[in-house]
Amino acid sequence: GDSVTQMEGPVTLSEEAFLTINCTYTATGYPSLFWYVQYPGEGLQLLLKATKADDKGSNKGFEATYRKETTSFHLEKGSVQVSDSAVYFCALGGSTLGRLYFGRGTQLTVWP
Amino acid sequence: DGGITQSPKYLFRKEGQNVTLSCEQNLNHDAMYWYRQDPGQGLRLIYYSQIVNDFQKGDIAEGYSVSREKKESFPLTVTSAQKNPTAFYLCASSLDSESETQYFGPGTRLLVL
Repeated sequence: GDSVTQMEGPVTLSEEAFLTINCTYTATGYPSLFWYVQYPGEGLQLLLKATKADDKGSNKGFEATYRKETTSFHLEKGSVQVSDSAVYFCALGGSTLGRLYFGRGTQLTVWP
Repeated sequence: DGGITQSPKYLFRKEGQNVTLSCEQNLNHDAMYWYRQDPGQGLRLIYYSQIVNDFQKGDIAEGYSVSREKKESFPLTVTSAQKNPTAFYLCASSLDSESETQYFGPGTRLLVL
């Protein structure tokens, strides 16, 4: 069935370091892929998405490219800030209309 | 401002008690969802509704019930049959069942006394 596997956390970085959070998926067909971010005590916010192979989603300095050949959608940012500290979730749009399948989340902590 | 509201922010449940979590949206979205979030487990789907007066079970529906009498509202009841209800509950909506982008409310944290 449809599923997402994302990098185990927590991830701890210094400010201005490079960030990669790995995400791979299993799905039938050609799902849309998403990254959501959750700040402490809050709901999830859509960070970026890609709807077809080779698409690059980007927002707030974060990027992720939909790689069908490696079934991956890794999240990257060139220079993280303390304000980026949050939990990041990779998700895919499944074969059932409207459903999203989420990874377990990766906790990111950025130190000044 | 358009968005999704959930209330209360914190909810306490006694043994054997049913409690209801509220979810309201003014985005004119057709589809609504309830997720449960436990530490280290990501989000698990409880119930979803693609249209008014219709809803389907998700992956962990046992011990929960929902209704969808109005487009704007999708309340979740945690029944006494749910033996481990302590979790963070998130409501979401999307434009329709074909639109995969979901928008989330701020969540309700349920604690058992």
